Amino acid sequence: DTGVSQDPRHKITKRGQNVTFRCDPISEHNRLYWYRQTLGQGPEFLTYFQNEAQLEKSRLLSDRFSAERPKGSFSTLEIQRTEQGDSAMYLCASSFGQGIAGELFFGEGSRLTVL
Amino acid sequence: DAKTTQPNSMESNEEEPVHLPCNHSTISGTDYIHWYRQLPSQGPEYVIHGLTSNVNNRMASLAIAEDRKSSTLILHRATLRDAAVYYCILRDGNQAGTALIFGKGTTLSVSS
Repeated sequence: DTGVSQDPRHKITKRGQNVTFRCDPISEHNRLYWYRQTLGQGPEFLTYFQNEAQLEKSRLLSDRFSAERPKGSFSTLEIQRTEQGDSAMYLCASSFGQGIAGELFFGEGSRLTVL
Repeated sequence: DAKTTQPNSMESNEEEPVHLPCNHSTISGTDYIHWYRQLPSQGPEYVIHGLTSNVNNRMASLAIAEDRKSSTLILHRATLRDAAVYYCILRDGNQAGTALIFGKGTTLSVSS
């Protein structure tokens, strides 16, 4: 499968624990995006990388959220001290482009449940 | 952020055409109109995009009003697999790599 891969697909954790999600983009894609989606809402943009540079992070929901893309390939999204309100689907997308951005390809998401 | 207005829901019958409207009265000259859809339990997928002229691809057609303040996504023959949430999104063509900002979209139901 050459699409965007996310791991784990499901995560159940207790409030206060840290969780990390991994995203493997399509191999030649230089841009990577993280979104959060809650029930009945459209995906909410969180952050964006071009290669290893994080170009937009002002929309990360709080300082408990952080993302990395250390070598410009896979990315991780970490949530520290989880709260019940963090329960959501976390989506990753990737695209290729140098100028005007192209089509985004989304993964199937990582569903987080915080008890 | 979304800058588009779509009906919350629409219904269609299988094998009939579906016209999904989108209003974007504040569109700027460099904004592209993108459509994505999200099938149940999946991530969104690209459908079509355009700037000024009408566009066709294997999935759908995009009709753009002459003043660009509205557009319509056309599914020529709806199938049960087309039941999804459809998002109309404006994206600035002058800003490389800008993220898609989603609204709530239109939930399309298709009946057999």
